[in-house]
Amino acid sequence: DVKVTQSSRYLVKRTGEKVFLECVQDMDHENMFWYRQDPGLGLRLIYFSYDVKMKEKGDIPEGYSVSREKKERFSLILESASTNQTSMYLCASGEYQTDEAFFGQGTRLTVV
Amino acid sequence: EDKVVQSPLSLVVHEGDTVTLNCSYEVTNFRSLLWYKQEKKAPTFLFMLTSSGIEKKSGRLSSILDKKELFSILNITATQTGDSAVYLCAVEKDGDYKLSFGAGTTVTVRA
Repeated sequence: DVKVTQSSRYLVKRTGEKVFLECVQDMDHENMFWYRQDPGLGLRLIYFSYDVKMKEKGDIPEGYSVSREKKERFSLILESASTNQTSMYLCASGEYQTDEAFFGQGTRLTVV
Repeated sequence: EDKVVQSPLSLVVHEGDTVTLNCSYEVTNFRSLLWYKQEKKAPTFLFMLTSSGIEKKSGRLSSILDKKELFSILNITATQTGDSAVYLCAVEKDGDYKLSFGAGTTVTVRA
């Protein structure tokens, strides 16, 4: 079974802190994605990566950056956390255009 | 701008009822439409549809795509409390890596 693991299930951070969300997949997938999920808005793509050290902005990249130094690991960075970044963050991985993406369990981030 | 719209946003049914969820889309270079079920945290894959008019079926769940009218339907028959979840629709574009999601439909099945 494909496994996508996010490092934390719940996080509480203070405004202005630098926050790292880690995601690891074990299926050698080329593509990895970071989404945030908010009520009534569905999943919105923040960033994705189609190869090591490659990244592309998604629909809502502002306030975020990413890092992909190894194929299996994709990190989301909040440079200076703000309260409007309180959300559920979901990482996913998949092969290029071969149907479904596999999701991690999500990280519920609260910024106070 | 690409759009994926799901309706209704939420519904409550009783066990044994049939549920029909809708997903309409406006995207350029459509490739496939996917349905996911999200119970607590991670969305899990249900179906991928690429061809119009061909029903995909898995147990009590089925889905069909209409590429002319740009929508898909997910049906759940003889609902059970375990079907309570958020159902997400996503569209994949040709030549693109990412999925565009709808807002989801929250289904609550009462015993």
